[in-house]
Amino acid sequence: DVVMTQSPLSLPVTLGQPASISCRSSQSLVHSDGNTYLNWFQQRPGQSPRRLIYKVTNRDSGVPDRFSGSGSGTDFTLKISRVEAEDVGVYYCMQATHWPWTFGQGTKVEIK
Amino acid sequence: EVQPVESGENLVQPGGSLRLSCVASGFTFSNFWMGWIRQAPGKGLEWVASIKQDGSEKNYVDSVKGRFTISRDNAKNSLYLQMSSLRDEDTAVYYCARKRGETWGQGTLVTVSS
Repeated sequence: DVVMTQSPLSLPVTLGQPASISCRSSQSLVHSDGNTYLNWFQQRPGQSPRRLIYKVTNRDSGVPDRFSGSGSGTDFTLKISRVEAEDVGVYYCMQATHWPWTFGQGTKVEIK
Repeated sequence: EVQPVESGENLVQPGGSLRLSCVASGFTFSNFWMGWIRQAPGKGLEWVASIKQDGSEKNYVDSVKGRFTISRDNAKNSLYLQMSSLRDEDTAVYYCARKRGETWGQGTLVTVSS
């Protein structure tokens, strides 16, 4: 199975400051169809996960533009340009290139 | 866009069986792969199973192979997860989701305990 490794696992941030989460996969996430199926999810306390980013860089509808995704191959990053109070929660990367689809351990974002 | 809605809370004994349901609305259910994902209490996410639009292709994570069966009824906009030989470690919130996680339901808690 593809192992997804996130860092850091805990991320205290100051409101208005940037934040960055790294996600590395144990093998390339480039699919045979040419796409890289790397998603980012946000899970706020007590809520279901919500997809923020798909195929590395594409923001889902309604996702604020302060969220951005980047990377390629095995190395990916989620950035929040200016953290707001509503961004508190756990963020997961997920690969959907190789079955079984697998998630990172999660990064807990909290306000300092 | 309305998300899938799973049914109820569920308590079952080890070795028992349970069927989860998810009814979708707000999109053309028959056009999409669907899947089940679970989250053990206080833990991360595990994608359990996926099923193709017409049900002709199904995938399972190793930990549930031979015990869980995913199915769908496109006429009823419904997704199912038949779970058998349940173990303590199957205790989790189970979510249904569209495609590769585009949208998720609100989750249903399954507790396996004697």
